[in-house]
Amino acid sequence: AQSVTQLGSHVSVSEGALVLLRCNYSSSVPPYLFWYVQYPNQGLQLLLKYTSAATLVKGINGFEAEFKKSETSFHLTKPSAHMSDAAEYFCAVFAWSSYKLIFGSGTRLLVRP
Amino acid sequence: KAGVTQTPRYLIKTRGQQVTLSCSPISGHRSVSWYQQTPGQGLQFLFEYFSETQRNKGNFPGRFSGRQFSNSRSEMNVSTLELGDSALYLCASSLSQQDYNEQFFGPGTRLTVL
Repeated sequence: AQSVTQLGSHVSVSEGALVLLRCNYSSSVPPYLFWYVQYPNQGLQLLLKYTSAATLVKGINGFEAEFKKSETSFHLTKPSAHMSDAAEYFCAVFAWSSYKLIFGSGTRLLVRP
Repeated sequence: KAGVTQTPRYLIKTRGQQVTLSCSPISGHRSVSWYQQTPGQGLQFLFEYFSETQRNKGNFPGRFSGRQFSNSRSEMNVSTLELGDSALYLCASSLSQQDYNEQFFGPGTRLTVL
């Protein structure tokens, strides 16, 4: 079975500070991993994805994530937070057997001025 | 290219009623998946359709059903609504099921059951 765990339901950073959102996965097969962002009253937007190519993945809006097999992690980072980054972020793994995304519980990012 | 559209965006129903939600995928996409999002349970997979056939189903009661039409548009139906069915229902479309293809999400339908 595959799963993802997001550590920290809420993360608060100052504008301009480093953003680090944590995600650990469990998978018996090489995983496809994703980070999605959700703004209030909107659907999910793909930030970036790992599909077994480069382990350092760059996404939109300055975000990036590094796949670390030894740590079973796929943490999301951004060097400098912007007020517009305030949203909820979801880590997900793709389950091939049922062609579905399995989501973590989400991390709400608050950016302080 | 237009994105995934979902109608209606907001819906208020009372317990015991039934509801139908609609999803129009991106043009050319043949796979449509539905997810339920609630504060307590998070994002959970409901079902996935490809070429008018339900290929996969999540762990939801039979009150939740869906279908897909020949133009790939999909509907989901919830009968005998319960308070716990209040949620944001998200639809996602992708090109095909033969290989991984990115899922594009619609804005969702927010269902409130009173």
